[in-house]
Amino acid sequence: NAGVTQTPKFRILKIGQSMTLQCAQDMNHNYMYWYRQDPGMGLKLIYYSVGAGITDKGEVPNGYNVSRSTTEDFPLRLELAAPSQTSVYFCASSYKGGLFSGELFFGEGSRLTVL
Amino acid sequence: DAKTTQPPSMDCAEGRAANLPCNHSTISGNEYVYWYRQIHSQGPQYIIHGLKNNETNEMASLIITEDRKSSTLILPHATLRDTAVYYCIVSRDNYGQNFVFGPGTRLSVLP
Repeated sequence: NAGVTQTPKFRILKIGQSMTLQCAQDMNHNYMYWYRQDPGMGLKLIYYSVGAGITDKGEVPNGYNVSRSTTEDFPLRLELAAPSQTSVYFCASSYKGGLFSGELFFGEGSRLTVL
Repeated sequence: DAKTTQPPSMDCAEGRAANLPCNHSTISGNEYVYWYRQIHSQGPQYIIHGLKNNETNEMASLIITEDRKSSTLILPHATLRDTAVYYCIVSRDNYGQNFVFGPGTRLSVLP
């Protein structure tokens, strides 16, 4: 049981390039989330999904896209990377039925630098 | 969801209890108090949550005031590994999509 797995762990992009951050969970969770964390700050929600085929915007969705074709995977796409997207990105998942336990399970993060 | 206010930093001696306060004066009746922590640059880790009653688990205790406008997370015997940023979150029980991870409290456990 690996939990939430994010790849890559580190990436350097040039301005204008595109890339996809991968996130997979093996806990059969319905909900998945993408957050970003800038240095010294809290986490901001980019997008979330309540199940396969359903996604919704969080607080800071501009410049990102997501898809949820399966329960397990929730990739985050960056189009036309900008220096403002330099951040650490965390994927999380939660809830597989019954009472919500209050627990979000986080991946180890993907550190992205845009130069 | 209600906002929370936490001190930016606190120190605690190793082996002593760490008491981390959180103000949530605008909390509504159906909102829970959740606590998470983030060690170094790892993903946040769930600690505990509660609605009205005090809660305890193997990691910590959560004390919620009777008017629910504030709460305290207690780590009974802090160790160096408890050095982390602690986040207090108030949200309805709606599976986490409205969780707001603010700046939190940076707890330093000192030897």
